[in-house]
Amino acid sequence: QVQLQESGPGLVKPSGTLSLTCAVSGGSISNNIWWSWVRQPPGKGLEWIGEIYHKGNTNYNPSLKSRVTISVDKSKNQFSLNLNSVTAADTAVYYCAREGRGGYNLGGWGQGTLVTVSS
Amino acid sequence: EIVLTQSPGTLSLSPGERATLSCRTSQSISSSYLAWYQQKFGQAPRLLIYGASSRATGIPDRFSGSGSGTDFTLTISRLEPEDFAVYYCQQYGTSPPRYTFGQGTNLEIK
Repeated sequence: QVQLQESGPGLVKPSGTLSLTCAVSGGSISNNIWWSWVRQPPGKGLEWIGEIYHKGNTNYNPSLKSRVTISVDKSKNQFSLNLNSVTAADTAVYYCAREGRGGYNLGGWGQGTLVTVSS
Repeated sequence: EIVLTQSPGTLSLSPGERATLSCRTSQSISSSYLAWYQQKFGQAPRLLIYGASSRATGIPDRFSGSGSGTDFTLTISRLEPEDFAVYYCQQYGTSPPRYTFGQGTNLEIK
């Protein structure tokens, strides 16, 4: 059973960069699936941020594309999210997730990590 | 971008009752691209249904999905206490954004 675990600072200053890492265990990040980041502001719904394939191919949500970079480190079996120029609107629980059976869905999720943007 | 509209926003039912949740998409989509998730308070979402009607691993058979085109339904045949949660539908886009979610239905105990 593949497990995902997010890690990173819980507090980021406005205009700074939010950086998170998702460690993959119980399986290889080089499996033929895509790995995603999703966020959820407090009390609100889910927003997909972007995804990466182990070869480095990426897709981003157009609404965030100018500020987002997702990268992969196969040697550490993990992938990362960088979101720059953050504001209070970026305060959210950030989840990493993996593509599920059959594709077209997110079949496994990390527990999530709350990132607050505040001075 | 395809918009997903879930109804009702809140559904109040009792254990043992049947729950019917709706998800409508702004354009017709392939059934393969429609999924449902359950999210309990303080937890990550959990995949329930993929391909509109296929149950994910370990999901009880009281959960079922149906629909096609622009209208999709999640049915919980007999509610158990642990089923009270927020439910999201999701569609997959062939171009980004890859995943778009509905606003959620809050299934609460009556």
